[in-house]
Amino acid sequence: SQQGEEDPQALSIQEGENATMNCSYKTSINNLQWYRQNSGRGLVHLILIRSNEREKHSGRLRVTLDTSKKSSSLLITASRAADTASYFCAPRGSTLGRLYFGRGTQLTVWP
Amino acid sequence: DADVTQTPRNRITKTGKRIMLECSQTKGHDRMYWYRQDPGLGLRLIYYSFDVKDINKGEISDGYSVSRQAQAKFSLSLESAIPNQTALYFCATSDTDRIGGYTFGSGTRLTVV
Repeated sequence: SQQGEEDPQALSIQEGENATMNCSYKTSINNLQWYRQNSGRGLVHLILIRSNEREKHSGRLRVTLDTSKKSSSLLITASRAADTASYFCAPRGSTLGRLYFGRGTQLTVWP
Repeated sequence: DADVTQTPRNRITKTGKRIMLECSQTKGHDRMYWYRQDPGLGLRLIYYSFDVKDINKGEISDGYSVSRQAQAKFSLSLESAIPNQTALYFCATSDTDRIGGYTFGSGTRLTVV
């Protein structure tokens, strides 16, 4: 399978807490991307981490990548109610030009 | 204006009808994609096109066809709609290089009754 699998399927936290979502994949990758989807809307590209990177930051987002374990994690620090959304990981192979998406993690942040 | 525009935003159609979903982009990207999303499931790739003369089937192309009219336009057709094609449909684009992120449209919510 070329898609990533996100875990947990659902995550519920209070505002101000950190949210951690995990992604596992099975193929070798060129990079791994994370996307956010607000309810019923299109996916928005959040961050891309290359296979030779181990960690990347963007604002309140921190992504890690462990290619030996074929896994990645997305950490959102100091969560806000506006972070409520589904989050998808998309591993991108070396030769394929298309992305496959899993079922995502539904994050709910309560005020 | 949005970078990737999908029309219509919502559509209800009857079983057996032919329907076309349209996608246009101002990103200047060569690559365009059609996905469908069902509740509780991830996005599944229907068709994709790497340039105007290139059309490829994705995971679930049966019952669908596409047309790449120009670099900026990629249409998805349901030749004879059936209820299990009720879903949220997304168009996406990406640049020619193999590593960049996708830009998605806002989606078309299609209901087949």
